[in-house]
Amino acid sequence: EAGVAQSPRYKIIEKRQSVAFWCNPISGHATLYWYQQILGQGPKLLIQFQNNGVVDDSQLPKDRFSAERLKGVDSTLKIQPAKLEDSAVYLCASSLGIGAPFFGPGTRLTVL
Amino acid sequence: GENVEQHPSTLSVQEGDSAVIKCTYSDSASNYFPWYKQELGKRPQLIIDIRSNVGEKKDQRIAVTLNKTAKHFSLHITETQPEDSAVYFCAASMRNNDMRFGAGTRLTVKP
Repeated sequence: EAGVAQSPRYKIIEKRQSVAFWCNPISGHATLYWYQQILGQGPKLLIQFQNNGVVDDSQLPKDRFSAERLKGVDSTLKIQPAKLEDSAVYLCASSLGIGAPFFGPGTRLTVL
Repeated sequence: GENVEQHPSTLSVQEGDSAVIKCTYSDSASNYFPWYKQELGKRPQLIIDIRSNVGEKKDQRIAVTLNKTAKHFSLHITETQPEDSAVYFCAASMRNNDMRFGAGTRLTVKP
């Protein structure tokens, strides 16, 4: 069974630039999550989708972050403009619904 | 939303000893509690989980206990081995599966 796919794996940008991350969940998984993991911390939930609807985006900094999940499958997370404190690993995860999320390999973002 | 606190932040044990990591949650509606292991530079991997209708679950050397009244749950690792060294995260979610994580515990098993 294929796992959660993410790209790119690494990204280096300068502050105030824009960046986008892509995620393809496990086939058939209706729930998709984006987490931000800063070094030494636990994953912080940014946004949760159920199919193509948003379940929870209470911790998403909406002035600069946006996410979409068109057609209820792939998802993109965008940051515009980036700040230094956005340097982190961005983890995408998916689940069938009621159950543990399975994580992708993550995208390591460095903002200079 | 749910708030999950995890203790201790670091834990060092001798090989063969037991390790216990504790988490508390804030929302009594939370009903699902997974535990993840994350090795350096890798993604979190599910190691065990428990639902609110169960008080304890065991899988070989790993067990999880849940106290709904006190709103806390714990991970127990027995007969620790060096390969158990990693960061462990607890998580909690409610009916809509909004999974919130603790801050993590760095476990070091000394040979």
